Amino acid sequence: DAGVIQSPRHEVTEMGQEVTLRCKPISGHNSLFWYRQTMMRGLELLIYFNNNVPIDDSGMPEDRFSAKMPNASFSTLKIQPSEPRDSAVYFCASSPPGHNYGYTFGSGTRLTVV
Amino acid sequence: GENVEQHPSTLSVQEGDSAVIKCTYSDSASNYFPWYKQELGKRPQLIIDIRSNVGEKKDQRIAVTLNKTAKHFSLHITETQPEDSAVYFCAAKSGAQKLVFGQGTRLTINP
Repeated sequence: DAGVIQSPRHEVTEMGQEVTLRCKPISGHNSLFWYRQTMMRGLELLIYFNNNVPIDDSGMPEDRFSAKMPNASFSTLKIQPSEPRDSAVYFCASSPPGHNYGYTFGSGTRLTVV
Repeated sequence: GENVEQHPSTLSVQEGDSAVIKCTYSDSASNYFPWYKQELGKRPQLIIDIRSNVGEKKDQRIAVTLNKTAKHFSLHITETQPEDSAVYFCAAKSGAQKLVFGQGTRLTINP
């Protein structure tokens, strides 16, 4: 398996622009998680899906952030409009059905908003 | 909800010595405890995990212990090597709930 695949690996955008991050979970995994990592705040869970349904979006910082999972093999995290404070590494992770399994993380997208 | 505290935040040890990182959790129903290693610029990767029906698990130079009564678990790395330098995260999970991560420990191995 190719693991969790994220794109792009790096994104540099200007403040005010829309940014879309993409994730393909491992085939057969039914839970998908979006995390943001910064030096100041560590690993923050933004939102997670179970069987394509959003379960907990309490970590989404504000209305500028939105996430979708239209099918079992694809999810997007969108920021519109982007701001410099959104600069971070965004990780997607997935996990298989069952209670006692950890998450497999993708390689992350390093976002820089200038 | 679950809360996971991790200590220390930074740890520096001499190559060849042992390193211990400790975590406490608040939800007595938590039953799954993974540890992740994140090297600089890389993704967090699962290195070892333990379930609540065992007290200790070993994999070569790393081991994890769990004390359910005290609600704490620890990562032990023996005979440390430079490639062990990384940030380590503990986590805890209860049933179908989400994993809750600790704040991370930056481990530096000094040659």
